[in-house]
Amino acid sequence: QKEVEQDPGPLSVPEGAIVSLNCTYSNSAFQYFMWYRQYSRKGPELLMYTYSSGNKEDGRFTAQVDKSSKYISLFIRDSQPSDSATYLCAGGSNYKLTFGKGTLLTVNP
Amino acid sequence: EAQVTQNPRYLITVTGKKLTVTCSQNMNHEYMSWYRQDPGLGLRQIYYSMNVEVTDKGDVPEGYKVSRKEKRNFPLILESPSPNQTSLYFCASSWGGGSSYNSPLHFGNGTRLTVT
Repeated sequence: QKEVEQDPGPLSVPEGAIVSLNCTYSNSAFQYFMWYRQYSRKGPELLMYTYSSGNKEDGRFTAQVDKSSKYISLFIRDSQPSDSATYLCAGGSNYKLTFGKGTLLTVNP
Repeated sequence: EAQVTQNPRYLITVTGKKLTVTCSQNMNHEYMSWYRQDPGLGLRQIYYSMNVEVTDKGDVPEGYKVSRKEKRNFPLILESPSPNQTSLYFCASSWGGGSSYNSPLHFGNGTRLTVT
């Protein structure tokens, strides 16, 4: 089993929709969790970071971690066409990040 | 501007012809890493370096070499490329391996390599 499993998508939603992106992980040693966003022909960039169970909010984005069920989620409220990108979840420990395969999201105007 | 610069952006080569992809960062980061990204497989780490002259294997190191003679540069070397190394390659750097919000991994814009 891959250490980080991510819903493959692709996901297509209308503008303004609430988007839910999900990952599960198997490595209990993961100490922190991240979401990276990758636009076409660009490298990934950090979107959200959390190290504990619970919710972390930043504007329209909410990252949720449930360590008991090893579940990671990213919610996007009021999605915009500019949110169209590939979203990568990642778990980390000891300076090593393990990425999920990524979910391609398209937000249609 | 803080950035990670990879060259070239696109590269087409033939099996067995040695090539080097360069990576340079201007943020004085100690940690640098190479990843390859493939459809259905995601981002996989090839090699990483915690500091000058310190390198270690990632998850998929076979067929690749790296060196870290200077802090800012971390070239990826394919001594004898094969078609299964056709991929999108990313170099990244950070202070602590991307382990904190204050020091995320900074990625370059990728090198698309095709080996025929």
